[in-house]
Amino acid sequence: EVQLVESGGGLVKPGGSLRLACVASGISFENAWMTWVRQAPGKGLEWVGRIKGNSDGATTDYAAPVKGRFAISRDDSKNTLYLQMSGLTVEDTGVYFCSKYDWSDGEYYFFHSWGHGTLVTVSS
Amino acid sequence: DVQMTQSPSSLSASVGDSVTITCRTSRSVRDYLNWYQQKPGKAPKLLIYAASTLPSGVPSRFRGSGSGTDFTLTITSLQPEDFATYFCQQCFTTPAFGQGTTVEIK
Repeated sequence: EVQLVESGGGLVKPGGSLRLACVASGISFENAWMTWVRQAPGKGLEWVGRIKGNSDGATTDYAAPVKGRFAISRDDSKNTLYLQMSGLTVEDTGVYFCSKYDWSDGEYYFFHSWGHGTLVTVSS
Repeated sequence: DVQMTQSPSSLSASVGDSVTITCRTSRSVRDYLNWYQQKPGKAPKLLIYAASTLPSGVPSRFRGSGSGTDFTLTITSLQPEDFATYFCQQCFTTPAFGQGTTVEIK
């Protein structure tokens, strides 16, 4: 059974930084493509970014609103995904979920496994 | 970027009703379209991928259809556990989600 457990959320002042972590179990983490999706209070889902698996170069891609401020990384020895957030603004407030890319026929991807989420609140 | 437009934003229905939610994309995404269900305080749950394929364990009362730019999610014979918010998501390019449709009890 796949388990994803996020941690690291909390209250941070505008302009501050925070690092989220997501520990994975039940998967071959090293080659898994992983992603962060966030949800502002009462709002919809927003893709934040992703990191490819080790065999695909572990390259990253980000949504425009976070590019240059957020960085996704991974520690395969710890089965852990990270989201380093800096230059935080109130618009970054929300629940941050980690998820895993799953594939069908090698071309369709979807997010089947999700963590429970961790709340980030940016406020002075 | 592909823009997503979901409608309606909310609807009211009764147990046993059939409901349809629409998702439109700003350009063709072929059949690279997924649907998720989310209940308050919970993570999203995958309902349909590749526009019409149900993952194992998803009841057959959920049906997805469409291709190109127009997609629908139909729930036949609504059950109490189906009252939730539904999101579409294109996976043709960088992922993008629709704004969500909340299905409420009438």
